[in-house]
Amino acid sequence: EPEVTQTPSHQVTQMGQEVILRCVPISNHLYFYWYRQILGQKVEFLVSFYNNEISEKSEIFDDQFSVERPDGSNFTLKIRSTKLEDSAMYFCASSEREGTYGYTFGSGTRLTVV
Amino acid sequence: AQSVTQLGSHVSVSEGALVLLRCNYSSSVPPYLFWYVQYPNQGLQLLLKYTTGATLVKGINGFEAEFKKSETSFHLTKPSAHMSDAAEYFCAVGTGTASKLTFGTGTRLQVTL
Repeated sequence: EPEVTQTPSHQVTQMGQEVILRCVPISNHLYFYWYRQILGQKVEFLVSFYNNEISEKSEIFDDQFSVERPDGSNFTLKIRSTKLEDSAMYFCASSEREGTYGYTFGSGTRLTVV
Repeated sequence: AQSVTQLGSHVSVSEGALVLLRCNYSSSVPPYLFWYVQYPNQGLQLLLKYTTGATLVKGINGFEAEFKKSETSFHLTKPSAHMSDAAEYFCAVGTGTASKLTFGTGTRLQVTL
């Protein structure tokens, strides 16, 4: 079964550093998403991306965050200057069409900011 | 706007007992409803989903859920709990057009001998 692949599985970074989280969506999917789960809390939507632009973002997704699809296979989330409160599990997801019917989540990247 | 309420942050059952995890939703348009399971330090695994059609949905690992529009509920059940079912369970709501999933706060299921 096709999978969404996220790398790395765990990343530790120093406060103030830039970090890039990488995702390879399923190849025929056109819609891409990032979610965040702070330890012990619920999963929260960050951003959705389609046709090389952001289609929706939450209030969490401020100027410190950006997303990019640099080539035909990768989808990245960049945090420019990490804060301690950015420590969380970040999930990438993709879907073939608009809406939440065929979402597939990756296994997540645990980001620890020290 | 959509929202999900999961009643009970922790549920404990004995092995072999019925599992019932409650989920109520709010949605201004016909909802798509999902249950995900998360094992410790792992990702989100889809258990089952309701989009349209039959309101009783069967998923993996013997779980099922019933969409009840009149009660705005989508409770998850399993007739007989197994030790391997111990995990965090998340209910989520989406739609056929909007791209965002809204998750509940999760229910931690503990299974005891």
